Amino acid sequence: DSGVTQTPKHLITATGQRVTLRCSPRSGDLSVYWYQQSLDQGLQFLIQYYNGEERAKGNILERFSAQQFPDLHSELNLSSLELGDSALYFCASSPSSGGGYGYTFGSGTRLTVV
Amino acid sequence: QQPVQSPQAVILREGEDAVINCSSSKALYSVHWYRQKHGEAPVFLMILLKGGEQKGHDKISASFNEKKQQSSLYLTASQLSYSGTYFCGTVTGNQFYFGTGTSLTVIP
Repeated sequence: DSGVTQTPKHLITATGQRVTLRCSPRSGDLSVYWYQQSLDQGLQFLIQYYNGEERAKGNILERFSAQQFPDLHSELNLSSLELGDSALYFCASSPSSGGGYGYTFGSGTRLTVV
Repeated sequence: QQPVQSPQAVILREGEDAVINCSSSKALYSVHWYRQKHGEAPVFLMILLKGGEQKGHDKISASFNEKKQQSSLYLTASQLSYSGTYFCGTVTGNQFYFGTGTSLTVIP
């Protein structure tokens, strides 16, 4: 157990629907990062939050949004889902906002859009 | 801005050594290394900060040459458990980028 909790582990939904992925960071970590990994592809950075504030944005579609709450858990909202959104979505956390520490990853949410 | 790793894939026999390289076109503040097994989350191996340091983790070590904007991961006396995809991660400014990945397979 890495200490980063992601729910749900699996999600199957239809095109056009909206889903919410949840992440609880490791205790003491203030930064949360969201990554998308399509089949046998690399890790695409979506967005980072640090202590409730958006810190960096990557290749996140306009249909996707995220937020970090006062208790530091984060949610990634995916709307108007398309088949191409099927992927593994990872959340990672770290103590700081920069790259001075390693990232701890959750076990991921596997999203299947049918 | 995504760091490029080489080789893309490598197959080793147990006990053999391997080197994975990571190159960036941008000045680097630090380099991370991760290993990901199929269908699982990436696992942090080590971080190297500016200063050309070399770190070790069991029989896995790494070096960081900030002038060349490169890092290398060394796996010695490979074990079956080393199989997976290795990613470097680089910090440039306040942005973090994962590398293109290297698939490593260790066979008996």
